[in-house]
Amino acid sequence: SAVISQKPSRDICQRGTSLTIQCQVDSQVTMMFWYRQQPGQSLTLIATANQGSEATYESGFVIDKFPISRPNLTFSTLTVSNMSPEDSSIYLCSVGRGGGYTFGSGTRLTVV
Amino acid sequence: GNSVTQMEGPVTLSEEAFLTINCTYTATGYPSLFWYVQYPGEGLQLLLKATKADDKGSNKGFEATYRKETTSFHLEKGSVQVSDSAVYFCALDSGGGADGLTFGKGTHLIIQP
Repeated sequence: SAVISQKPSRDICQRGTSLTIQCQVDSQVTMMFWYRQQPGQSLTLIATANQGSEATYESGFVIDKFPISRPNLTFSTLTVSNMSPEDSSIYLCSVGRGGGYTFGSGTRLTVV
Repeated sequence: GNSVTQMEGPVTLSEEAFLTINCTYTATGYPSLFWYVQYPGEGLQLLLKATKADDKGSNKGFEATYRKETTSFHLEKGSVQVSDSAVYFCALDSGGGADGLTFGKGTHLIIQP
């Protein structure tokens, strides 16, 4: 299965600022997925990122708030923009391979 | 749309007890089903999976059988250990790897010595 390196692992940010999260995969993958896990909650899919095209966002998530880049088949970034305390969550990237999904270790974001 | 319903915890058991965590789903077509585990302070790990009806996934003493007739994928273990304490997520993939996963809310399992 693929190995994903995600960074930063955690950050504390001031409200109104932005944070960019990076995910690097050790092999080429077509689809990369970004999830949010709010405190004590399950994982919710934010968007699907395909190389060479705009990301597809799930209901409730918009590009202005969560812009995504996918410059090549091994890398993607998710930016959390104009942050508020409600954005405090764990953000995870994921790739699908061989009938399963592998997840990055997550970015624990606290907005103060 | 797709959805996954699993029993919510916390579920507290004594060591060596029998474990069942119920999971039912709603999906179009024939999804693949998964159990993921999140140990304290760690990332999400695949525990087991099943890709078609009547398949049984198993790993680390845990088992789950894909039951199409009851749209269920219950997680079981015959004798739990303290080290099994974690949050368990049931999930489905109906897009063949193209649409991401739909997760249940997670079940927090606490095993007492």
